[in-house]
Amino acid sequence: AQTVTQSQPEMSVQEAETVTLSCTYDTSESNYYLFWYKQPPSRQMILVIRQEAYKQQNATENRFSVNFQKAAKSFSLKISDSQLGDTAMYFCAFMNSGAGSYQLTFGKGTKLSVIP
Amino acid sequence: KAGVTQTPRYLIKTRGQQVTLSCSPISGHRSVSWYQQTPGQGLQFLFEYFSETQRNKGNFPGRFSGRQFSNSRSEMNVSTLELGDSALYLCASSQGLASPTQYFGPGTRLTVL
Repeated sequence: AQTVTQSQPEMSVQEAETVTLSCTYDTSESNYYLFWYKQPPSRQMILVIRQEAYKQQNATENRFSVNFQKAAKSFSLKISDSQLGDTAMYFCAFMNSGAGSYQLTFGKGTKLSVIP
Repeated sequence: KAGVTQTPRYLIKTRGQQVTLSCSPISGHRSVSWYQQTPGQGLQFLFEYFSETQRNKGNFPGRFSGRQFSNSRSEMNVSTLELGDSALYLCASSQGLASPTQYFGPGTRLTVL
């Protein structure tokens, strides 16, 4: 079974600064996807970024980028130029792409507060 | 395209009752997954349907069941409700093999009294 660990329950960052959220995972699989989802107070789960394990290049989406270290099983999220709207719970998630079923395994989440 | 929709958004039931939640996926998406979110257990996978077939089921009792219709809409049912079933139930859809990325609906908040 896969496990996902987010070691930072809460973090805060000043507006316009950069913050990095940590995520580690444990799996024996070689083909998988990793995701970061954002859940603001409205509770709507929003996809932030996706990384395929076979791709060495780190994914980026505007102000969001990841540092994917496959050997270390680490998948951190960097948010640049933090905005008040980035305040939310952030969940790291794992999906085994070879299982024939699209099940996400989530970490416990990191609560991020952006301070004006 | 319209996003994933879930109905109802809020529900209050009493112990012992049963409840049915509905999920309409993004148009063209054939896979629907359900998750339970609670403060104590976090996000837990319930089950996944693809083309009307349940492909995977999480570690939940048989009181939790689901189905998927030919138009990919899905329902989940919880029978004999317990206080511990109070949670946010999230539905997510994906295209399937072409792209497994899951997109979530707004959730149904179930409160069991």
